[in-house]
Amino acid sequence: EVQLVESGGGLVQPGRSLRLSCAASGFTFDDYAMHWVRQAPGKGLEWVSGISWSGGNIGYADSVKGRFTISRDNAKNSLYLQMNSLRVEDTAFYYCAKDRGGTSWYYFDYWGQGTLVTVSS
Amino acid sequence: QSVLTQPPSVSGAPGQRVTISCTGSSSNIGAGHDVHWYQQLPGTAPKLLIYGNSNRPSGVPDRFSGSKSGTSASLAITGLQAEDEADYYCQSYDSSLSVVIFGGGTKLTVL
Repeated sequence: EVQLVESGGGLVQPGRSLRLSCAASGFTFDDYAMHWVRQAPGKGLEWVSGISWSGGNIGYADSVKGRFTISRDNAKNSLYLQMNSLRVEDTAFYYCAKDRGGTSWYYFDYWGQGTLVTVSS
Repeated sequence: QSVLTQPPSVSGAPGQRVTISCTGSSSNIGAGHDVHWYQQLPGTAPKLLIYGNSNRPSGVPDRFSGSKSGTSASLAITGLQAEDEADYYCQSYDSSLSVVIFGGGTKLTVL
């Protein structure tokens, strides 16, 4: 059974940093691209970032480019999102999602339960 | 403002058929990129509903179907049931922006 479990969310002040983690199990992690998708409370889905199976292809939404860094550790079956210079508008549930493909972005066949990041002073 | 446009809400009575549209442009749906659909029940994570325009993952009832034409796609739900009440999102890829894109979401209300 595929499982994606996010952790690391919480309350943080504007301008500070936070690191999210996603522990994956139930599939061959290093065969697939992985993504972070966020959802502000009461709002729609927004793709944040994606990383190919090898880490050689990485993409970011314009809203987080230069502030967020996605990475993965295939030996630990884990995905990460380093979030710096956080803004109030980054407040959202952050979901880890598995891509159906390995190198480029296609669709998300499994999602984690999400972790809430609240940016507030 | 989402790159893919969906109606904010649709509604239907139990047993009826509803459709949800997803309108894009020549740099995403019109460029040949596939459209995928997700269902998000209240308080839960999104779940894949339709992939590759019209394919259903195992376990998704055949009451759900998808189609794509030109720069648009549609999700159809027949035989509406109370448990179909949820938010539905379309998703594709935009070649010009080089990003994954979502529609703004459509809230389905079963009357």
